[in-house]
Amino acid sequence: GQNIDQPTEMTATEGAIVQINCTYQTSGFNGLFWYQQHAGEAPTFLSYNVLDGLEEKGRFSSFLSRSKGYSYLLLKELQMKDSASYLCAVKNYGQNFVFGPGTRLSVLP
Amino acid sequence: ETGVTQTPRHLVMGMTNKKSLKCEQHLGHNAMYWYKQSAKKPLELMFVYNFKEQTENNSVPSRFSPECPNSSHLFLHLHTLQPEDSALYLCASSQVYVSSNQPQHFGDGTRLSIL
Repeated sequence: GQNIDQPTEMTATEGAIVQINCTYQTSGFNGLFWYQQHAGEAPTFLSYNVLDGLEEKGRFSSFLSRSKGYSYLLLKELQMKDSASYLCAVKNYGQNFVFGPGTRLSVLP
Repeated sequence: ETGVTQTPRHLVMGMTNKKSLKCEQHLGHNAMYWYKQSAKKPLELMFVYNFKEQTENNSVPSRFSPECPNSSHLFLHLHTLQPEDSALYLCASSQVYVSSNQPQHFGDGTRLSIL
């Protein structure tokens, strides 16, 4: 089976840095995706990791360690509009995405 | 604008009603998906269509019936639903089913409430 875990909620201050963790247990790992979902809106793609290391994309970075079954999404220079849920999704060979429960991030002024 | 459009955005129905959810994608993708999103639960995959053929049905009750007439359109027909079926139903598309590095593109969903 597959198991993906994320913290349920996090709170951070505008301008700060926040790290959202995702741990997974799976077989045939073939990539990890992060999505952002604002309340009442569609999840939107943020990043993709399949090899170990850090992928940077502007204020957002995503890290992967396949040996540890661990990923994190790093958000820098937080803005109020970053308040949303962040979904971690794992893909296995020949299979579909499995989503984690999501982390609801609240950015405070 | 994600390129995936779902209608209606909100739907309230009784348990004996029949209704349909519609999804249309303008991205030229070949795979389409239905997900259920309930409060405080992970996205649950319901159905997958790849090149109009159903490839996955994740033990979804028969009161949910999908239809995929072509690669751009996907429907979810609803009949005699239960209160626990109240949720956000999300449609998504991707270039090809199980393609390794292609993300899914989601619609804004239909918020379904069963009375």
